[in-house]
Amino acid sequence: NAGVTQTPKFQVLKTGQSMTLQCAQDMNHNSMYWYRQDPGMGLRLIYYSASEGTTDKGEVPNGYNVSRLNKREFSLRLESAAPSQTSVYFCASSELGDTEAFFGQGTRLTVV
Amino acid sequence: DQQVKQNSPSLSVQEGRISILNCDYTNSMFDYFLWYKKYPAEGPTFLISISSIKDKNEDGRFTVFLNKSAKHLSLHIVPSQPGDSAVYFCAALDGGNKLVFGAGTILRVKS
Repeated sequence: NAGVTQTPKFQVLKTGQSMTLQCAQDMNHNSMYWYRQDPGMGLRLIYYSASEGTTDKGEVPNGYNVSRLNKREFSLRLESAAPSQTSVYFCASSELGDTEAFFGQGTRLTVV
Repeated sequence: DQQVKQNSPSLSVQEGRISILNCDYTNSMFDYFLWYKKYPAEGPTFLISISSIKDKNEDGRFTVFLNKSAKHLSLHIVPSQPGDSAVYFCAALDGGNKLVFGAGTILRVKS
């Protein structure tokens, strides 16, 4: 059982480049999330999708877009990467009404 | 403005002793609290949780205490083991599905 799978694990971008972070879960969860982790800041919610077909902004959505492609997949897109987006990105999923979220292994992104 | 605060960036404890990690929150709407553990190069994993209607929840070596009047919770690990060395995140829910995390505390258990 793979759980939550993120690709890629590492990425280096130049300022202004675009890229999409992929996330897939095999637990049939309705809700999916994208977080970023920065030193001293904990995990901050970027966007979330409570159920297939819906997406909502979290605490730090600027500079990002998301797509809930189907129930399994939730992607995060950086249209024009900036050095401030250098971070570790985590995707997570949970079941509606359930409190525990399951996380992927993370994507370490560096923007130079 | 951080709604969930972990004011100790790090904690060092001798193996076999008790580890106490603290967390404060400001939002009185939070009704469920969780602790996550994170090893380097891995995603956070759920450790233990507590509902706001309780003041204590225990799971093996891990106990979480909640003081609603003080808006404070703590995680006790007894006895601490070297494998407990990790980053511990406190998180809270306000009745919805969005987890709000603290900044984390690095726990080092020395053998």
